[in-house]
Amino acid sequence: QITLKESGPTLVKPTQTLTLTCTFSGFSLSSSGVGVGWIRQPPGEALEWLALIYWDDAKRYSPSLKSRLTITRDTSKNQVVLTMTNMDPVDTATYYCARRYTNNWDAFDIWGQGTMVTVSS
Amino acid sequence: DIQMTQSPSSVSASVGDRVTITCRASQGISNWLAWYQQKPGKAPKLLIYGASSLQSGVPSRFSGSGSGTDFTLTISSLQPEDFATYYCQQANSSPSFGGGTKVEIK
Repeated sequence: QITLKESGPTLVKPTQTLTLTCTFSGFSLSSSGVGVGWIRQPPGEALEWLALIYWDDAKRYSPSLKSRLTITRDTSKNQVVLTMTNMDPVDTATYYCARRYTNNWDAFDIWGQGTMVTVSS
Repeated sequence: DIQMTQSPSSVSASVGDRVTITCRASQGISNWLAWYQQKPGKAPKLLIYGASSLQSGVPSRFSGSGSGTDFTLTISSLQPEDFATYYCQQANSSPSFGGGTKVEIK
């Protein structure tokens, strides 16, 4: 069974750095064609892709947020970590991690349950 | 960046109706298109990938079509559990999602 689970703070203050961890099981991020991405969704709004990391450690970022994001992986722990600097109230959202697989035309086939992050002083 | 435009933004329909949602990419993406269903408070669920391939376990009343810039998700006979919001997503380059289509009860 493939699962992903997000963890991190539920409340951060403006200007702080957010660090989120995605812990997964049932697949390996070292396997060819596998990636893990982060997607967020502000309350009542649409999904927004943030970042991706691939089996070969290649990384991609949303052009609009690239300067604020860093994605890393720890294959021994089956974890992917996203950091977002200079948080603002507009970054309040549910943050999801999801597996991306080339066999599925690079769709996000398995998602975590999401973690809600509120940015407020 | 590739922009994804969905229409309509919402649709009211009855159980048994045929529902069609469209998605347009700002540039050609071949078949690099996925569709997701999201229910309130839940994570999105993959329905269709590669524009027309049905994800394992998804009912056959869901189908996808299109290539290049214009795509369609069709629910052939709407069921009570299908009332949800649907998103398209292009996977050709840096991923991007459409704005969503909410399917509501008429």
